[in-house]
Order: sequence, then structure tokens, then C-alpha cells
Amino acid sequence: DIQMTQSPSSLSASIGDRVAITCRASQSISNYLNWYRQKPGEAPNLLIYAASSLESGVPSRFSGSGSGTDFTLTISSLRPEDFATYYCQQSYSSFPTFGQGTKLEIK
Amino acid sequence: QVQLVQSGSDLKEPGASMKVSCKASGYSFTSYGINWVRQAPGQGLEWMGWINTNTGNPTYAQGFTGRFVFSLDTSASTTYLQISGLKAEDTAVYFCARVIGGGPVKRFDPWGQGTLVTVSS
Repeated sequence: DIQMTQSPSSLSASIGDRVAITCRASQSISNYLNWYRQKPGEAPNLLIYAASSLESGVPSRFSGSGSGTDFTLTISSLRPEDFATYYCQQSYSSFPTFGQGTKLEIK
Repeated sequence: QVQLVQSGSDLKEPGASMKVSCKASGYSFTSYGINWVRQAPGQGLEWMGWINTNTGNPTYAQGFTGRFVFSLDTSASTTYLQISGLKAEDTAVYFCARVIGGGPVKRFDPWGQGTLVTVSS
């Protein structure tokens, strides 16, 4: 299986801050990388697919970059609803795998 | 709108069986596969496998063979997850999610709201 490792595991930030979360794959996955946000008590919600494509309806403060093994999710200006847990997921393999998650907390 | 609606939370005793349903609406059911994802309390997301809603063929991830079965009722646009021989470690929220796209644009969207299954005596 392809292992996905996110960093950091947790992050404290303030409203309006710019933050970046990274995701590293154990082998090259080209741009087969998705990002999800999961608010407490809710299902995950798709933010970014194919590493850098913004899902319809997702605010433009979210952006994704990277290819191969290293990827980044950037939130340009944090809003209250962004304090949640973020997961990367590879869809390169027939057996998709998720990163362990990054919990974004209010400072 | 496109949505997946799952059955409600359940409490089961160890050794029992359970079945979670995931009803799709707003799109052609047999055009997109359905995935199942487990989230143990306080933990991350774990992909369990998926079912091809056109053929009914299931694929299971490692660790989800034997006691786990995916099935369909195409006439009801509903997918099912059945777990037999429940153990305490099966306590989790189970999500269904539609898979869309192919190649690098393959992704899960939308997701069901989740079903909490608690296994306890």
C-alpha cells in the first residue's frame, strides 16, 4: 500500500492567518492527490482534487500544489469554519489511502 | 441535489451482525461506485473498499475481508455494509462516499453523514 504522511499532525493558528499543510507519499503518485476537510461531528468534504483543482463551490482561499511525492494544501486567510481536521488521500493506487490527518486549532 | 443518506446509529453486542444502508439520490445510481470508509473514535479515515454499482462487484481493502460484505439493491438506489461477528474494535463511524472521475481526477464526493456503530455488552 502507498503510505501517506501529513505534517504537522496539529497546528495552532489565528483567524486571518495563512497556513500550509504538507502531505508526502511513500512513492510517486503523479498528481493523484485529494484534500478533504472534516469539521467535528461531520462527514469529510472534498476541497481539492488532482492536487491543485478546486472543487466546485469551495472558497478560493483554499489551494493545492505539488506532484510526485510532495504536496501542499494552503489556506490563505483562515476563517472560523476552517478550524477542523484535514486529510490528504491518494487515488493513484486501486486501493486509496488517507494521511493520518492534520488538526487545525484556534490559537 | 446529489446526496447519500445513511441509516441511523446502532448499539450491538459482541458477536452480533449489523447492516448499514446508504441511499443515493439526485444522480444515476449505477453510474458511480460507492466506497466505504471507517473512522474509529478519535482516529483518522480508513478506506474499507468499494462496490461497483453497475456490476455489483465488491473490492475489499486488506483487513476488511471475511466479516465485511458490501451489497446492493439497485431498485432502491441503496448500498449496504454488513459486518458479522462484531467485535469491540468495530466501534466506529462508517461513511459511504460516491467515487467520481477517473485517473488523476478520481475523488470521493459526496459523502454520507456517517453511521455510528457501537459494539458493547
